[in-house]
Amino acid sequence: DAGITQSPRHKVTETGTPVTLRCHQTENHRYMYWYRQDPGHGLRLIHYSYGVKDTDKGEVSDGYSVSRSKTEDFLLTLESATSSQTSVYFCAISEGSTEAFFGQGTRLTVV
Amino acid sequence: GQQLNQSPQSMFIQEGEDVSMNCTSSSIFNTWLWYKQDPGEGPVLLIALYKAGELTSNGRLTAQFGITRKDSFLNISASIPSDVGIYFCAGSPLTGANNLFFGTGTRLTVIP
Repeated sequence: DAGITQSPRHKVTETGTPVTLRCHQTENHRYMYWYRQDPGHGLRLIHYSYGVKDTDKGEVSDGYSVSRSKTEDFLLTLESATSSQTSVYFCAISEGSTEAFFGQGTRLTVV
Repeated sequence: GQQLNQSPQSMFIQEGEDVSMNCTSSSIFNTWLWYKQDPGEGPVLLIALYKAGELTSNGRLTAQFGITRKDSFLNISASIPSDVGIYFCAGSPLTGANNLFFGTGTRLTVIP
């Protein structure tokens, strides 16, 4: 397995509260990604990073922000969680190619 | 965003049978990937395809990059119980995983 650790693995939070999910990699890969997985939609890209402090938006970026201050860490923040952000979130890494390697996921429930 | 059409949505097969699933897109891709996801886990990359017509195997799994560049196929031969899971296709028109689009998955159940 690629060295990717997501934390927490499960979280329940209330509507309107801020939430931060963490992705940590030990592979020294340049690229990191945050996806969400919802029934009927497959995996959709939220944000990605192509280097320290370099990030860009994906397909479903509204309501999310990211930060990457170190090569190994990529944080996803929901500034004010909404019920529509209840989902399973996956971090992925790649070294420039199209092949992405995924973490184990974080199940987030917003009540 | 673009979504890939993956079929079938689910399959129930007897252990030992062969399985075929496919994925189509409305635009041309230059990369096709196949992933497997077990319950509570992240997707695991099975096979990557980079050339139209390419046929690549990984053990009992064989995948093909369609000649039109708008489709891909995955075959599993002689299925076993541990093949159970959800199989996802993913494609990209450009290099870079930030351009990956995913199918909605094929849920495979293998009956012993």
